[in-house]
Amino acid sequence: KNEVEQSPQNLTAQEGEFITINCSYSVGISALHWLQQHPGGGIVSLFMLSSGKKKHGRLIATINIQEKHSSLHITASHPRDSAVYICAVTPNTGNQFYFGTGTSLTVIP
Amino acid sequence: KAGVTQTPRYLIKTRGQQVTLSCSPISGHRSVSWYQQTPGQGLQFLFEYFSETQRNKGNFPGRFSGRQFSNSRSEMNVSTLELGDSALYLCASSGTGTGETQYFGPGTRLLVL
Repeated sequence: KNEVEQSPQNLTAQEGEFITINCSYSVGISALHWLQQHPGGGIVSLFMLSSGKKKHGRLIATINIQEKHSSLHITASHPRDSAVYICAVTPNTGNQFYFGTGTSLTVIP
Repeated sequence: KAGVTQTPRYLIKTRGQQVTLSCSPISGHRSVSWYQQTPGQGLQFLFEYFSETQRNKGNFPGRFSGRQFSNSRSEMNVSTLELGDSALYLCASSGTGTGETQYFGPGTRLLVL
């Protein structure tokens, strides 16, 4: 059983489209993280959330603690947004991550 | 500040050998976590070190071990390598607290033949 479930697994969008990636988790958490991984492996932390909503440029992340659900939105998507987006949670019990399986996003010009 | 660095970046080993990977965290960070990424299993947590002590451990066999030095640099060791150990090994550092943002290194890509 995976502690973190992500959907969709793959997503193809036209440039300019609004994109939503969803994440559900089953454990008590101290924080939820959205990560971005480009081809070649490097991982960048986009957001860390423990409640509410955060916005950075065209990226918006929300979390509903009661429903154990988070969403990552990308407005006005661009080909450079093409990457794998990974949801990860830090459980109450420690400082490690439990990861979702990732969403592979391709934005077509 | 310099980011997280990992050495080596690429490594080829044969079954039965052992390997040691190194991670230098961001200056001032005391927590270092290690992760394995494979196409089949995705990203999985190996262990976390904080102030030279293993604070958390994932579900990996004892062939996987690690340590942290007083300068927070960390090493992980895999003994008796198996083909399935071929993976991208990532380390990440953070300050001190639970739930902090983790900063990832570029990874070490290990191929076991």
